[in-house]
Amino acid sequence: LAKTTQPISMDSYEGQEVNITCSHNNIATNDYITWYQQFPSQGPRFIIQGYKTKVTNEVASLFIPADRKSSTLSLPRVSLSDTAVYYCLVGDTRTGTGGFKTIFGAGTRLFVKA
Amino acid sequence: DGGITQSPKYLFRKEGQNVTLSCEQNLNHDAMYWYRQDPGQGLRLIYYSQIVNDFQKGDIAEGYSVSREKKESFPLTVTSAQKNPTAFYLCASTPPAGARGYGYTFGSGTRLTVV
Repeated sequence: LAKTTQPISMDSYEGQEVNITCSHNNIATNDYITWYQQFPSQGPRFIIQGYKTKVTNEVASLFIPADRKSSTLSLPRVSLSDTAVYYCLVGDTRTGTGGFKTIFGAGTRLFVKA
Repeated sequence: DGGITQSPKYLFRKEGQNVTLSCEQNLNHDAMYWYRQDPGQGLRLIYYSQIVNDFQKGDIAEGYSVSREKKESFPLTVTSAQKNPTAFYLCASTPPAGARGYGYTFGSGTRLTVV
């Protein structure tokens, strides 16, 4: 099972771009990289998923280098409401059935200041 | 809209009691999971179920039990054998193999407190 390493916390100001990097040195060929966002007393929610290169949606961008041993979640122009915990997960999340035991680390606590 | 419903949102348990947390999904997902989250910590896997009438222990299954009699339902019982049950409990599901999907869908959680 691929283990991930993220910074414990980050601070930013409103309007800035925030980049959170995740290391996953033992990522497997079939593994995808997925990022989730969690607010206090809520379940995590999906932000973005990718396999290689760059993925962009209306919320964020995900940059994955060729060796796939790390990934960077980029949040453009953050607001106070982006204050949350962000989790990087690595696993074959598209297989669904199979009961994969993805490891959730402690995530990165992002605090956005006014 | 499809999703996962957890109930109750808040639950209080007396010492020595068993309590059951409900988790229902209408996403037609095969796999379901229970996670425990302690303050400032990540999620730890308690149990997971790939199909009806089958489930496996996760990393911290001691003191917990589950059942999967229906595809839509995966209740978690916190037994008196769980010595430190105060935590936030999250239920999740994942889509079937080959389906378009993006991994986990989570419920809104149940906060269990021992009184």
